Amino acid sequence: AQRVTQPEKLLSVFKGAPVELKCNYSYSGSPELFWYVQYSRQRLQLLLRHISRESIKGFTADLNKGETSFHLKKPFAQEEDSAMYYCALRSYSGGGADGLTFGKGTHLIIQP
Amino acid sequence: SAVISQKPSRDICQRGTSLTIQCQVDSQVTMMFWYRQQPGQSLTLIATANQGSEATYESGFVIDKFPISRPNLTFSTLTVSNLSPEDSSIYLCSVTLRNTGELFFGEGSRLTVL
Repeated sequence: AQRVTQPEKLLSVFKGAPVELKCNYSYSGSPELFWYVQYSRQRLQLLLRHISRESIKGFTADLNKGETSFHLKKPFAQEEDSAMYYCALRSYSGGGADGLTFGKGTHLIIQP
Repeated sequence: SAVISQKPSRDICQRGTSLTIQCQVDSQVTMMFWYRQQPGQSLTLIATANQGSEATYESGFVIDKFPISRPNLTFSTLTVSNLSPEDSSIYLCSVTLRNTGELFFGEGSRLTVL
C-alpha cells in the first residue's frame, strides 16, 4: 500500500528565510504527487502537482524518484505563507485513478 | 476548474441519529471521492463513489456506517449513520475533472455530534 510521510508536524521560520517542507512517499507504481495548502478557516486548495512542473506563489517541488521525495521549497518565506501544507499521492488501479493518500501535514508558521 | 457545492456546510446532531451530506458538481467528472478530516488531523479517504453501483470503501470504513450514493455523474451523497461523538469531523467531497484529470475539493461539511 502507498504511504506519504511528512516528518515535520510544525515548521517555524522567519520572514525572508528559505523554506523546505519535506515529503517522502512509498508506492510501487509510478506516482503522481501533489501539494495542497489549507489556510486558516479556508478550504483545501491545490498548490502544486508534480506533472505540471510549475511554480505557484513562489513554491516549487521536484519529484526525486531515487530518494522517493517531493519536497516543497520557497527561497524567501512570506507571512501569508503561514498555513497547513499537505503532501498527497494519487495511485492508479485497474479501475482508474484512486483517491489521494495524504501525509499528516506540516503546519508552517512564518514569524515576522 | 469546477464548482463543488456541499450541503450542509455544518450541522450539529444528536448521538444515534444520521446525517446525509450532498455533493453537487457543475462540471463533467470521472471520479468522486469522500474524505474525513478529524479535528487536528489530516484527510483520510473514506470511499470512492461509483455511479450506479456500490461505493468502494477503504480499510476501516464500511457501508453500514457510511452509505454512499451516486445516482449520476455529478451528484453524490454520504450518510454518516448511528452518530457518536467520535464522528465529529469535517467530511469533504472531491472530484476528478473529466477533461483535465485535475482534483478539486468541496468546502467540507463540519459535523459536530453531541
